[in-house]
Amino acid sequence: NAGVTQTPKFQVLKTGQSMTLQCAQDMNHNSMYWYRQDPGMGLRLIYYSASEGTTDKGEVPNGYNVSRLNKREFSLRLESAAPSQTSVYFCATGTARYDNQPQHFGDGTRLSIL
Amino acid sequence: ILNVEQSPQSLHVQEGDSTNFTCSFPSSNFYALHWYRWETAKSPEALFVMTLNGDEKKKGRISATLNTKEGYSYLYIKGSQPEDSATYLCAFDTGRRALTFGSGTRLQVQP
Repeated sequence: NAGVTQTPKFQVLKTGQSMTLQCAQDMNHNSMYWYRQDPGMGLRLIYYSASEGTTDKGEVPNGYNVSRLNKREFSLRLESAAPSQTSVYFCATGTARYDNQPQHFGDGTRLSIL
Repeated sequence: ILNVEQSPQSLHVQEGDSTNFTCSFPSSNFYALHWYRWETAKSPEALFVMTLNGDEKKKGRISATLNTKEGYSYLYIKGSQPEDSATYLCAFDTGRRALTFGSGTRLQVQP
């Protein structure tokens, strides 16, 4: 049981390049999330998807786009990478609202923009 | 933007010491408070989800309390071990499933 799988684990990009971070889950969870983690700032929500076919902006959505391809997959795209987007990106999943259950996280993607 | 604060930012203790840290959160729109343990190069791992004022949860040597009226939660570790070294994150949950995380308390336990 893989849980939440993120690819790639590491990536180095040049400013202006584009890339897509992939997230797949086998937990049958409805909700999926993308966070970024920067030193001293905890996890900040970029986008989330409450269910297949819906996406919503989080706290720091600028410079990112997302696609909820199906129930299992939620991708995050950087169209034109900037050094400020150097961060560790985590994908997470959750069941439903008001159910007292924690979120489940992938191992993260460490992204450096030069 | 919701304000979730954790203190201290970092903590160094000796093996065997007991320790505690704090998470402060808004007292309105509260649904749940989550605690996660996050080791370097790994994914955050859920410790507790707390919903009721006065709630206490325990997992081995780790326990947590919750005060929703004043907006704080304490995490306690009894008899710290080197394997407890990690960052401990709390997250505020309004029930809408988009958690707001604190910046974490980084714990280092020296053998």
